[in-house]
Amino acid sequence: GENVEQHPSTLSVQEGDSAVIKCTYSDSASNYFPWYKQELGKGPQLIIDIRSNVGEKKDQRIAVTLNKTAKHFSLHITETQPEDSAVYFCAASRDSGYALNFGKGTSLLVTP
Amino acid sequence: GAVVSQHPSRVICKSGTSVKIECRSLDFQATTMFWYRQFPKKSLMLMATSNEGSKATYEQGVEKDKFLINHASLTLSTLTVTSAHPEDSSFYICSASTGGDYEQYFGPGTRLTVT
Repeated sequence: GENVEQHPSTLSVQEGDSAVIKCTYSDSASNYFPWYKQELGKGPQLIIDIRSNVGEKKDQRIAVTLNKTAKHFSLHITETQPEDSAVYFCAASRDSGYALNFGKGTSLLVTP
Repeated sequence: GAVVSQHPSRVICKSGTSVKIECRSLDFQATTMFWYRQFPKKSLMLMATSNEGSKATYEQGVEKDKFLINHASLTLSTLTVTSAHPEDSSFYICSASTGGDYEQYFGPGTRLTVT
């Protein structure tokens, strides 16, 4: 089955700095890679996703890159703000209707 | 759009009782719903996948007789924890997919505490 590794497990940055979270996956058939933000006591919220036919996608301060050959993808948050503090999960999936395989999460803390 | 609700948000029950958690897609039809379990400071663990009108597919190690899943309509799936024990205390989260795209929309989660 799919195995998704996520690093780092914790990340502390100062407000305004960039944050990068990296994930690797094992199943070459995976072709959908979403990123979720989870605040304490709440369900995960999709913040950005990428499909295997593109290498990079950007949405304002958030970007995701995908390297299918190396089987890794990354989340980049620029100009971080304290409200970006949360746990971020990467995930991988083969197709619609398939369950997501989650990484173990990264606890991001943005200090003012 | 694409809102998923869960009810209740929190529930406390006594050991040995059963608890039902509802997951609803409010503005779309969900052909597939997923149930996850999350322990404190841990990732989401898939429990089962359910397609409307058919039996749920459970992940290895998940007792189907203990965690009953029903997906009776395209907007509702229920998870019933039967004969709950303290070790069943956890955060249960559902997600729903239209099947037409890859995206899964997550509910806000249900915090179950078994005393």
